Amino acid sequence: QVHLQESGPGLVKPSETLSLTCIVSDYSISSGYYWGWIRQPPGKGLEWIGNVFLSGNSFYNPSLKSRVTISIDTSKNQFSLRLISVTAADTAVYYCARSLGAPLFGYWGQGALVTVSS
Amino acid sequence: IVMTQSPATLSVSPGESATLSCRASQSVGFNLAWYQQKPGQAPRLLIFGASARATGIPARFSGSGSGTEFTLTISSLQSEDFAVYYCQQYNDWPPLTFGGGTKVEIK
Repeated sequence: QVHLQESGPGLVKPSETLSLTCIVSDYSISSGYYWGWIRQPPGKGLEWIGNVFLSGNSFYNPSLKSRVTISIDTSKNQFSLRLISVTAADTAVYYCARSLGAPLFGYWGQGALVTVSS
Repeated sequence: IVMTQSPATLSVSPGESATLSCRASQSVGFNLAWYQQKPGQAPRLLIFGASARATGIPARFSGSGSGTEFTLTISSLQSEDFAVYYCQQYNDWPPLTFGGGTKVEIK
């Protein structure tokens, strides 16, 4: 059973950088699959941010592509999200997740609320 | 690809069945997943490949459809089934896209 846990600051100032890490346990991130980030603004629906593959290849939502970087660290069995130049519109619960063979998400972290506010 | 779910809210009595719809703006073949989300929880995968139940999902959840029209049916609703349901296409990406969700509430 794969376990994922988001970690990072819960409050970020406008124009600064949001950084979250997803710590993976009970499964080796080196075994493959897509590792992704999805967010959900309060009271709203789900928005895919991006995926990273074991090779380091990453795929991003075009709406966020200019501001987002997802990276993978196999030595620490974790992957990370970096979103620059944040605004209040980036306030959301951020989920990390692992795909099945196809890019749909069978395993999710519990989510981390990140608020953008001064 | 834009995913549109209807209705936004569905009021159902326990024991009754619920039919949720998801429409894609262009064909996604069978590359469609359904998720259930309860308040304060992460989404849970219910269905993938339009009709295959994920591990541990009860048989009262069934998915059907292909191309642009999909349906999630929940037969004999239990109290734990009242939640928000999302569809997601993974046929043509990036981006992966979700529908806006259908809230199934107690009538």
